[in-house]
Amino acid sequence: NAGVMQNPRHLVRRRGQEARLRCSPMKGHSHVYWYRQLPEEGLKFMVYLQKENIIDESGMPKERFSAEFPKEGPSILRIQQVVRGDSAAYFCASSQGIGNQPQHFGDGTRLSIL
Amino acid sequence: DQQVKQNSPSLSVQEGRISILNCDYTNSMFDYFLWYKKYPAEGPTFLISISSIKDKNEDGRFTVFLNKSAKHLSLHIVPSQPGDSAVYFCAAGAGAGSYQLTFGKGTKLSVIP
Repeated sequence: NAGVMQNPRHLVRRRGQEARLRCSPMKGHSHVYWYRQLPEEGLKFMVYLQKENIIDESGMPKERFSAEFPKEGPSILRIQQVVRGDSAAYFCASSQGIGNQPQHFGDGTRLSIL
Repeated sequence: DQQVKQNSPSLSVQEGRISILNCDYTNSMFDYFLWYKKYPAEGPTFLISISSIKDKNEDGRFTVFLNKSAKHLSLHIVPSQPGDSAVYFCAAGAGAGSYQLTFGKGTKLSVIP
């Protein structure tokens, strides 16, 4: 499967725990994006990364959320001390370039907070 | 402030007929538009896109029309098939260096056999 791979598909955490979401972009893609979708809503941009660099994190909450895309390995979205409001579907996308280049999405991680 | 609006939450169409999904936007900086299809428990799948230098783009059964003066775009699916039943999202980007897509809330299309 040459598509965007996300894991886990489902993640359950208790309030106060940490959540780690992983994303491997499509082969040949060096641009990675994270989006969040709340129920009955569209996807909302969180962060844009290239290898080892965070380019734009303007859509990500300032506290508790962080993202990385190391030289080796998948991109990670990390949520510390999760709260009920963090329950959502988190989608990763990748593209070959920016501008008029479509972003291709993974199947998402559904995070549930107990 | 919703910059991309899909005012119809749902649409039902008979198999074989045309499906028309609509999208309006408010940000004049948007110049690249995309449609995605999403099945339950899956990620959005890219369908078709259009840049603001065009007013129409076709790909098989899918055609996107862009009316810049009205800030409106539409997706036409002809003929509609039961497998087209999904949620369709309109998304927009701004500028040659843009990377942040702004999504509408989606329209659920049901194609009735």
